[in-house]
Order: sequence, then C-alpha cells, then structure tokens
Amino acid sequence: EPEVTQTPSHQVTQMGQEVILRCVPISNHLYFYWYRQILGQKVEFLVSFYNNEISEKSEIFDDQFSVERPDGSNFTLKIRSTKLEDSAMYFCASSEWDRDRYEQYFGPGTRLTVT
Amino acid sequence: GQQVMQIPQYQHVQEGEDFTTYCNSSTTLSNIQWYKQRPGGHPVFLIQLVKSGEVKKQKRLTFQFGEAKKNSSLHITATQTTDVGTYFCAGRASNFGNEKLTFGTGTRLTIIP
Repeated sequence: EPEVTQTPSHQVTQMGQEVILRCVPISNHLYFYWYRQILGQKVEFLVSFYNNEISEKSEIFDDQFSVERPDGSNFTLKIRSTKLEDSAMYFCASSEWDRDRYEQYFGPGTRLTVT
Repeated sequence: GQQVMQIPQYQHVQEGEDFTTYCNSSTTLSNIQWYKQRPGGHPVFLIQLVKSGEVKKQKRLTFQFGEAKKNSSLHITATQTTDVGTYFCAGRASNFGNEKLTFGTGTRLTIIP
C-alpha cells in the first residue's frame, strides 16, 4: 500500500538554525499539507499546498516558515531560524482529488527538538 | 476561528467495556473525519461523515454526525487492547479538495486488561 514518507525521523538543532524537513507524498496525490503536534497536544494545521502554491496557511505559519515542491516527488518544510517553541512532531500529509473522499494520509512524522 | 473540542480528554476502561468520545465544533462543518493515533504513531484515517444525521459502522465502531453538523461521536463496543490510542475528530469547513482539517483536542483511551 502506498504511503507518505518523511525524513529525518528525528532532528535536533540549535536555536536560530535553519532546518528542512522532507516529505515524499503518495505519488498520485495532488494536495499536500504540513501539520504539527506538540507533545501530548492536538494536531495543528500549518499549511496546505496545491498546484505548486500555498492554498492556505495558519497563523503559526509565519515568515520563518516556507514550503517547496522542488521536484515531482518531494515536499519540504523549511524553518529559517528555529525557536525553542518550534519543538514538536511535524507531520506531512497528502490527499487525492476525489469528489467524495478527502481522507488525508499522514507520514510517520519528524520529531524536531530545538535546544 | 473554528474550534473543535472533544470530551473526555482521557478515558480508562476495563477491557470489554464500551467507550464513547464526543466532538463539538464551534461552527457548522461540511464534513467530519475521525482519526486514530497510536502511542508514538501518526494519525490514521478511520472514516468520513458527510450528511446530517449520518451514522456509519465499522465492526465495533459506530460513528454519528449530528443533525446540525456541528457535533459527532464515536462509540466503541466491547473495547479490546488494540483499541488503545488517541481518537481525534477533524472537521472540514468545505468540500474543496485542499480544505484543511481542524483537529479536535482528542480523547486518549487506555484499556485495563
């Protein structure tokens, strides 16, 4: 069964450093998302991406964040200057275009630890 | 903005007992999805409800969407140890393909064998 993959599984970085989280969505999917989950809390929407542009972003997704689809398979989230409060699990998700089904398939996540 | 709350936050049940989690949105939803997240895992899609008053069943799981499309529930009959995890409802405001999910606060289910 096709699945969303994410790398790395765990990233430790120092405050102020740039990080890039990588995702490979399911190949025939058209919609891509990033969510984050602070330990023990709910899953929060960051950004959605369709047709090579951002569709929607939350207030969390400020100027320090950016997304890119550099080629036909990868989807990346960049945090330019990490802060302690960026420590969380970051999930990539994708969904296909289907009038009736919009289930999102989540990757295993990248645990980001900012020290 | 849209808020989705779930109660209870935690539920401990004896194996074999039933379990219910309730989900309430501050705004009317176009549809609602339910996800299960095992400890240390990622959200996994369970089901989507679209119609007002809709009820769907998956084996021991029963999902309901309220008449006003602002609330939903998940009921598990005769829980098993494999049911352990956090159950999230996630609402969508529209049926556009790229519409985000607004996740509920989740209910963490633990089972006492």
